[in-house]
Amino acid sequence: GAGVSQSPRYKVAKRGQDVALRCDPISGHVSLFWYQQALGQGPEFLTYFQNEAQLDKSGLPSDRFFAERPEGSVSTLKIQRTQQEDSAVYLCASSLGTQGGYTFGSGTRLTVV
Amino acid sequence: GESVGLHLPTLSVQEGDNSIINCAYSNSASDYFIWYKQESGKGPQFIIDIRSNMDKRQGQRVTVLLNKTVKHLSLQIAATQPGDSAVYFCAERFIEGAQKLVFGQGTRLTINP
Repeated sequence: GAGVSQSPRYKVAKRGQDVALRCDPISGHVSLFWYQQALGQGPEFLTYFQNEAQLDKSGLPSDRFFAERPEGSVSTLKIQRTQQEDSAVYLCASSLGTQGGYTFGSGTRLTVV
Repeated sequence: GESVGLHLPTLSVQEGDNSIINCAYSNSASDYFIWYKQESGKGPQFIIDIRSNMDKRQGQRVTVLLNKTVKHLSLQIAATQPGDSAVYFCAERFIEGAQKLVFGQGTRLTINP
């Protein structure tokens, strides 16, 4: 596609529910990233994939967070047993190679009530 | 990056004036820096980047300056337009070859007509 597409655009979850957030990167992009952005703050790194390999997951805040990219294209970020502090915008980004800047999607705004 | 919650630094300039947004980065070993623009409800948008072996880079109406001695990065926007109103983030890459970007706290730029 022309850009990075994320769905859903908005998600409201009751505390304790599991959620799955989807990212469709730009076609052919090797690298894919997930970031978390709290209100009024800069994005914070969660995890990085090169094709289907998850090379860095150092930013995942707990074992409730899990990301996958099984075929090296679409990625899913799953959050189990959501808590209020998980409320944030989750941004996905992709890049063609392994260097340089990357293109962000518009994000999924998750609100846990 | 540093967090200031909802209280982003702000900068207001008159339309047509030049603006300068500053950023202090944290790691002297960072080798790559990017400026992003983020409008409300959208993901960060790439503006310009610079590698650590340079001290200045120019784009269309934008210039990035890098001062490694004091770990300072700035973004100059010439002849500002209403569409330049947004939050601007600097980001640094800590380790050459690694993919994680660390974002600064952001500056809200408002262009007054």
